[in-house]
Formats: sequence, structure tokens, C-alpha cells
Amino acid sequence: AQRVTQPEKLLSVFKGAPVELKCNYSYSGSPELFWYVQYSRQRLQLLLRHISRESIKGFTADLNKGETSFHLKKPFAQEEDSAMYYCALQAWAAGNKLTFGGGTRVLVKP
Amino acid sequence: DTGVSQDPRHKITKRGQNVTFRCDPISEHNRLYWYRQTLGQGPEFLTYFQNEAQLEKSRLLSDRFSAERPKGSFSTLEIQRTEQGDSAMYLCASSLDRDTEAFFGQGTRLTVV
Repeated sequence: AQRVTQPEKLLSVFKGAPVELKCNYSYSGSPELFWYVQYSRQRLQLLLRHISRESIKGFTADLNKGETSFHLKKPFAQEEDSAMYYCALQAWAAGNKLTFGGGTRVLVKP
Repeated sequence: DTGVSQDPRHKITKRGQNVTFRCDPISEHNRLYWYRQTLGQGPEFLTYFQNEAQLEKSRLLSDRFSAERPKGSFSTLEIQRTEQGDSAMYLCASSLDRDTEAFFGQGTRLTVV
């Protein structure tokens, strides 16, 4: 069975500082990894997916199959980045459902 | 709003009552998913549909839970004989097919008292 772990419940950083959200997964096959974000009073939305290899809102994430990690990084955090972030795994052999981590709340202080 | 729509947004019910939630996916999206999210946790998969066919159900979905998508469009999730442990946010998501992005609704927050 697949599993996603986000070890940090809360990350508090100052504006302009780098931020890194950790995500580790376990899955025996080749998963697809995602980061979802939920801003205050808004619905859950896709931030980025590893196959796209693109940077969204300054965020990047690299899939490290050796370490089974998919950490999310941004070099200079902005106040509008304050939100809940969820790492998720999608397994083709498991009906394409998403398996989510427990989430990390990011608070960017001015 | 052309996104995924869920109704109601909030539901308070007494233990033992039945409740039904509705999800309207984005038009022409073939896949529809239900998730449950409890406080401090990420969403957990409950079930999904490909058109009108229910293809998978999680072990979290006890026999008190039933979901339908009768015409391959909107879906309903019913919980019979609600328990306090059913209190959670119930999320619906839809996608065009298996390879495309899943879009989430705002959720229905259920409180069982």
C-alpha cells in the first residue's frame, strides 16, 4: 500500500527567507507525485506535479526516487504563500486515487 | 462558478440520523472521487466513479456509507445511522480522465451531535 509522510505540521518563516516542505513516500511502483495547496477559505487546488517539471509561483519540487522524497522548495517566501500544503501520490495500479500526506501549514511572517 | 459544486456546505445532524450529500462535477468530467478529511489530517480516499460505474471503494467506506452516480453526472453520498466519528469534511473531486488534474469542490462539513 502507498503512504505519504509530511513530517512538519507547521513551518514558520519570515518573508524573503527560503522555505522547504518535506515529503516522503512509500510505494513499490512508479508513482506520480503532486503538491496541492489550500489557501484560507479556498478549495484544495493543484500547485504542481512532478511530471510537469515546471515552477509554479516560484515553487519547485524534485522527485528523488532513491530517497523516495518529493520536497517542495521556494527560495524567497512571500506572505501570500501562507497556506496548507499537501503532498499526494497517485498510483496507476491503485485506480488513480490520490493518497495524501497529513499536510504542512506554512506561515510567512512579514 | 463552473467548478465542482457540493451541497450542502454545512450539515449538523443528530447521531443516528441519515444524511445525503450531493456533488456536481465539472461538466464532461468522467471521473468523480469522494474523499473524507478529519481535523489535522489530509484527505482520505473513499470511493470513485468512472462515469456511472463505481470502480473502487475504500475499506473506510463501511456498510453505512453508499455512493451513487446514476447518470454519470452528479453523485450522492449517503451516510446512514450517523455516528460522531463520521464528523468530517467530505470532499468531492472530478477529472476528465485518469491522466488529468483532479479539481476539488469546497466540501461539505458534517457535524454529528
